[in-house]
Formats: sequence, structure tokens, C-alpha cells
Amino acid sequence: AQSVTQPDIHITVSEGASLELRCNYSYGATPYLFWYVQSPGQGLQLLLKYFSGDTLVQGIKGFEAEFKRSQSSFNLRKPSVHWSDAAEYFCAVEGRNTDKLIFGTGTRLQVFP
Amino acid sequence: DVKVTQSSRYLVKRTGEKVFLECVQDMDHENMFWYRQDPGLGLRLIYFSYDVKMKEKGDIPEGYSVSREKKERFSLILESASTNQTSMYLCASSGPNEKLFFGSGTQLSVL
Repeated sequence: AQSVTQPDIHITVSEGASLELRCNYSYGATPYLFWYVQSPGQGLQLLLKYFSGDTLVQGIKGFEAEFKRSQSSFNLRKPSVHWSDAAEYFCAVEGRNTDKLIFGTGTRLQVFP
Repeated sequence: DVKVTQSSRYLVKRTGEKVFLECVQDMDHENMFWYRQDPGLGLRLIYFSYDVKMKEKGDIPEGYSVSREKKERFSLILESASTNQTSMYLCASSGPNEKLFFGSGTQLSVL
């Protein structure tokens, strides 16, 4: 069955610290991969996506993610977190022949000054 | 600027009421989606549509129906609202091979 796992429900970091949010997926073939961010009271905004090619993907707001086929992972990273990054982050996958996204359960990021 | 608009930000309804959640997009997108978002469960797909008058069930369609009479509008209908349908509802749209654009969501409370 197709699924996306975000093992960390809640992560707390200090401002300026590095961040890595984990995402693992189960899919028949290599899907398209996405990270979305949801700020309080807002809809979801796309941070970055992987379709093919370079496995290290750069996104908005200084985020990047690395696709590792051998580990079925697509972890999100940021070298230095800002207080405004506090939000909920969702990893998602989409089959290459479908427009339907499957979302993970989300990771809530809290940032301390 | 692209926009997906959900008509209500907050909605309170009583058990058994018929509820309409409206979503309009101004990007001429073919694809439209309804998700519900619950703590610890992420986003789950209720229904989606790839064209006018077309609809397909998502992962949790029970208790819901949809209507797509015009390309820009995708309505989610709760025929008889129940307390377990209290949730945040998110509408999204996309073009072919494009990312999803989300609305700001409707927080529905069923009492």
C-alpha cells in the first residue's frame, strides 16, 4: 500500500540551530515527492518538490531536501532555523500517472528563541 | 496572484444538518480536491475531480458527496452532519503536472 511516514510528531529546536525533518515513503515506483508547510490558520504552501534529476532539491525559505532511493526517504533540512519557521510540515508523494497526493501525518516544529 | 477561496473560515452546525462547503479557484485548473485535516492523521483525501461534472472517491468518502457544475467551483456536501465530521476542511486545485494550491481551510464544528 502507498503510504508516507513522518516519524516525528513534534520537534523543538532553538533559533539558529540546524533542522532535519524525516520522511519515508512506501510506493511501487519512485513517486514525485513534496514538502509543504502550514503556518497557523493558513492553508498549505509548497516548500519544494522532487520530480527527477539531482537528488538534492532546493526550496523556498532556505529549505532543502534530499531524495535517497535506497532508503525511500526524502528528509527536509535547514542549516539555521528562524523563529518564523515554526509551523507544521507535511511530506507528500504523488504517483507519476496520477494527480493525487498522499500526505504524511505532519511534524509540528516549535522554535525557541 | 493565484487563489483558492473557501467561502467560510469557521462554521458551526448541528448534528443532522445538511452542510455545504464551497471552494472556488481562479486559475482555470482542471483538478480540484477536498481534504480533511485532523491532528495526528495529517491530510486525508475525501473526493477529487479532474473535470466538470466528474468526481472520484478519495480515501474517506463516506458521509460526503461533491458537486462540480462549473470548472472553477467544487462543493463538498455533508448530507447529514455528524460530530465525527468536526474537522478542518481544505480545498486544493492544480493544473496538469502542477503543484497543488490550497485554500485557507474551513474549520467545521458539528455540535
